[in-house]
Amino acid sequence: GDSVTQMEGPVTLSEEAFLTINCTYTATGYPSLFWYVQYPGEGLQLLLKATKADDKGSNKGFEATYRKETTSFHLEKGSVQVSDSAVYFCALTEEAGYQKVTFGTGTKLQVIP
Amino acid sequence: NAGVTQTPKFQVLKTGQSMTLQCAQDMNHEYMSWYRQDPGMGLRLIHYSVGAGITDQGEVPNGYNVSRSTTEDFPLRLLSAAPSQTSVYFCASSYEAIYGYTFGSGTRLTVV
Repeated sequence: GDSVTQMEGPVTLSEEAFLTINCTYTATGYPSLFWYVQYPGEGLQLLLKATKADDKGSNKGFEATYRKETTSFHLEKGSVQVSDSAVYFCALTEEAGYQKVTFGTGTKLQVIP
Repeated sequence: NAGVTQTPKFQVLKTGQSMTLQCAQDMNHEYMSWYRQDPGMGLRLIHYSVGAGITDQGEVPNGYNVSRSTTEDFPLRLLSAAPSQTSVYFCASSYEAIYGYTFGSGTRLTVV
């Protein structure tokens, strides 16, 4: 079945540091890929998405590129802020059927001033 | 504001009690889902619906029931609460999954 693997957290960075959170996936078809963000005490929010190979999703300074050859969708940001502290979830959905979403286990990011 | 509304935000139940977690969306989304979030386990799908009158089981359906009588509402019923059901529950809806899901703010449930 489908699966998503994220790097273990927590990740602690200083403000203005470069961020990479790794995500790899296993899927039988041609999935769409997502990053969601969860701030403390809140639900998940869609951060960015990509629906086909080589697509780049971007939002709020975050970027991720759909790499079919390496089955990866790594999240990057050039300069993190304290306000980026949150849990980040990588996810995929297949094209067919119910379009069930498969989530990774989440990576907690803490940015210190 | 448009979105997914969950009630209550917090609930404490005694073992064996039943309750209903409410979920409503005003975006005319066909797809709705219930997830539970537990530390270190990400989100696990409990039940889902692809439209009014149509529901199906997800990964962890035991101990939960759902119904979908309208497009807007998708309540989750705990039949006889157990401590293992202590968790944070999220409802989510989508026009189509490839566009991403909109999540509610969650219900934190404790079963003692």
